[in-house]
Amino acid sequence: DAGVIQSPRHEVTEMGQEVTLRCKPISGHDYLFWYRQTMMRGLELLIYFNNNVPIDDSGMPEDRFSAKMPNASFSTLKIQPSEPRDSAVYFCASGRGDRDSEKLFFGSGTQLSVL
Amino acid sequence: GNSVTQMEGPVTLSEEAFLTINCTYTATGYPSLFWYVQYPGEGLQLLLKATKADDKGSNKGFEATYRKETTSFHLEKGSVQVSDSAVYFCAERAGGFKTIFGAGTRLFVKA
Repeated sequence: DAGVIQSPRHEVTEMGQEVTLRCKPISGHDYLFWYRQTMMRGLELLIYFNNNVPIDDSGMPEDRFSAKMPNASFSTLKIQPSEPRDSAVYFCASGRGDRDSEKLFFGSGTQLSVL
Repeated sequence: GNSVTQMEGPVTLSEEAFLTINCTYTATGYPSLFWYVQYPGEGLQLLLKATKADDKGSNKGFEATYRKETTSFHLEKGSVQVSDSAVYFCAERAGGFKTIFGAGTRLFVKA
């Protein structure tokens, strides 16, 4: 398996523009997570899905952020409009929801810079 | 909500020194506990885990023991190598599959 695939690896955009980050989880995994990593706040959980349904979005910073999972093999995180304080590394992770596994598999992340 | 607290970094050690990175959690009951490692430019990878009290997780010379009485899961290694330089994250999972991470501790190992 190719692992969790995120695109793009790097995104540079100007304030006010829409940004869409993409994630393809590992086939067979029924959980998908979006995390944001910054120096100041560490690794924050933004939202997670189970079987394509959002379970907990309490970490989504504000209405400018939205996430979707239209099917088991694809998810997007959208920021509209983007602001400089959104600059961070955004990670997608997936996992199987059985007790024996419990391990999360992370993608390589998207480095977002909002100028 | 639940949270995980780990010691601030960076931690700088000489090769072959002993490593301890402290971690405490707040979840009640018996959460599963994890240590993940992040190498430069990469996503996090699972290093070790423990799922019940007094369990010891171990991998690649790293160990951590699940201490219910102190709500702790400290990471240790007897002799670090330059290749261990990375960022280490402690994490908990309590109820469902929601995984909460600490802020991360950066480790530098000098030759």
